Amino acid sequence: EPEVTQTPSHQVTQMGQEVILRCVPISNHLYFYWYRQILGQKVEFLVSFYNNEISEKSEIFDDQFSVERPDGSNFTLKIRSTKLEDSAMYFCASSEEGAEGNTIYFGEGSWLTVV
Amino acid sequence: AQSVTQPDIHITVSEGASLELRCNYSYGATPYLFWYVQSPGQGLQLLLKYFSGDTLVQGIKGFEAEFKRSQSSFNLRKPSVHWSDAAEYFCAVAATNAGKSTFGDGTTLTVKP
Repeated sequence: EPEVTQTPSHQVTQMGQEVILRCVPISNHLYFYWYRQILGQKVEFLVSFYNNEISEKSEIFDDQFSVERPDGSNFTLKIRSTKLEDSAMYFCASSEEGAEGNTIYFGEGSWLTVV
Repeated sequence: AQSVTQPDIHITVSEGASLELRCNYSYGATPYLFWYVQSPGQGLQLLLKYFSGDTLVQGIKGFEAEFKRSQSSFNLRKPSVHWSDAAEYFCAVAATNAGKSTFGDGTTLTVKP
């Protein structure tokens, strides 16, 4: 079964450093998302991306965050200058267009620890 | 704005017993509803979803959920719980096709032997 893959699975970074989290969505999907989950808390929406542009973003997704689809397969989340409170599990997700477009398939997550 | 409430933070059931996890949503129109399961350190696995039609939906691993518009609820059920069902369960709602999903706080399920 096709799946969303994410790398790295775990990254430790120093506060102030830039981090790039990478995702390979399911190949025929056209909508891409990033969510995050702070330890012990709920899953929170960050951003959705369609047709090479951001379609929606939350208040969490401030100027420190950016997303990019640099080629036909990857979808990245960049945090420009990490803060301690950015420590969380980051989930990439994707969905098809059309009637199945609201079924979101999640990756295994990238655990980011900022020290 | 859409929102989801999962009233039970933690539920403990005995193996073989029945299970019901509650979910209430807030949204003006007919929502798209989902249940996900998350094992420790793992990603989110979709158990089942409701778009329209039959209000009782079947999912994987023997789970089912019933959409009740009058109660704004989408409770998850399983007739007989297995030890491997111990996990965190999240209810989610989306307002539009391919729109963002809003998650509840989750319910942690513990299964007693």
